[in-house]
Amino acid sequence: GAVVSQHPSWVICKSGTSVKIECRSLDFQATTMFWYRQFPKQSLMLMATSNEGSKATYEQGVEKDKFLINHASLTLSTLTVTSAHPEDSSFYICSARELGTTYNEQFFGPGTRLTVL
Amino acid sequence: DAKTTQPTSMDCAEGRAANLPCNHSTISGNEYVYWYRQIHSQGPQYIIHGLKNNETNEMASLIITEDRKSSTLILPHATLRDTAVYYCIVKGNEKLTFGTGTRLTIIP
Repeated sequence: GAVVSQHPSWVICKSGTSVKIECRSLDFQATTMFWYRQFPKQSLMLMATSNEGSKATYEQGVEKDKFLINHASLTLSTLTVTSAHPEDSSFYICSARELGTTYNEQFFGPGTRLTVL
Repeated sequence: DAKTTQPTSMDCAEGRAANLPCNHSTISGNEYVYWYRQIHSQGPQYIIHGLKNNETNEMASLIITEDRKSSTLILPHATLRDTAVYYCIVKGNEKLTFGTGTRLTIIP
């Protein structure tokens, strides 16, 4: 199946700094990429949907100025957590939907664990 | 999205078939049933999906009732590596929304 990678796999940062997470579709082109967040013992929560070359659509309650999403190419989307605080510590997961597929299968990355001290 | 209902947790003996039920009584005609699983600290993994016919692939089988109001995911010979949270999701063209899923534990 299609492979999605994320980098870094884990990151520890100080409060107030910004962190960028990359999501890449390795062997396919993705029209749409999604960013999820998962707190311990909870389910995945969709944060935003991004389409290549256009602005991301954020879910209700997600601050777009804090979670900056860029989807500049069909194989790369980035999520930047700006001025991170301890409550932003979470497991961030991206997924990608393949261009031209007849059904809406999404392929997920392995996730990035962010810890803000 | 149509809402789904799954048991919170299930156990299954290693080597036996694991049958995971899902109720989706409000599913509409153009919505598919998708199954994903998430092994601890990893991203979700696609398992299978279907519209109204039963489906089988190398990982699992999906049995959808004739009225489409429920479905069952079958892992034919469960192994310890199948221990995970299994999510049943109903969707059309919109975004994938995860519920709480079923935590399946395979017992040696």
